Amino acid sequence: AQSVAQPEDQVNVAEGNPLTVKCTYSVSGNPYLFWYVQYPNRGLQFLLKYITGDNLVKGSYGFEAEFNKSQTSFHLKKPSALVSDSALYFCAVRDKSGNTPLVFGKGTRLSVIA
Amino acid sequence: DGGITQSPKYLFRKEGQNVTLSCEQNLNHDAMYWYRQDPGQGLRLIYYSQIVNDFQKGDIAEGYSVSREKKESFPLTVTSAQKNPTAFYLCASTPPTSRYYNEQFFGPGTRLTVL
Repeated sequence: AQSVAQPEDQVNVAEGNPLTVKCTYSVSGNPYLFWYVQYPNRGLQFLLKYITGDNLVKGSYGFEAEFNKSQTSFHLKKPSALVSDSALYFCAVRDKSGNTPLVFGKGTRLSVIA
Repeated sequence: DGGITQSPKYLFRKEGQNVTLSCEQNLNHDAMYWYRQDPGQGLRLIYYSQIVNDFQKGDIAEGYSVSREKKESFPLTVTSAQKNPTAFYLCASTPPTSRYYNEQFFGPGTRLTVL
């Protein structure tokens, strides 16, 4: 069975500081990994995904994520946080063996303080 | 929110009533999904459909029903058997099933409140 853990319910960071939102996963084979962002009362917006190749993936709005197979992690990062980055962030995983639905973590609320 | 529309945006239901949430996509996507979102619980899969006239139960299908008569439409009915239906409901879709690395595209959501 596939699963995703986002160990922090809330992350607070000062504007201009680097941010990290953590994600670890569990799949039986090799994973496809995704990050989404959600603003209040809106649907989820896709940020980036890891398929294969370079472990550092760059995505929308200056976000990037690093795939670490040995630690089964896919942490989301940004070098300099903006107040407008404040939102709910979801990590998701799919096993490469089939087109099953994405399995989502419970989400991490990011608050960037001016 | 891409080419996925959900209606209505807000829905109020009396206890004991069935309600149907609409989800339409014009992206020519094959697979469609329904998720339920509750505070602190993330997204939980209700039903999904990979092709027309076929669908599978997700993790929390009890009290819900779906149909997939057309490729672009995947309505969700919340029945009176669903004990706690107040939640935010999200519809999603993905491109052709042969590309397993494709991300899911989400609609804007419907907030259902039971009075």
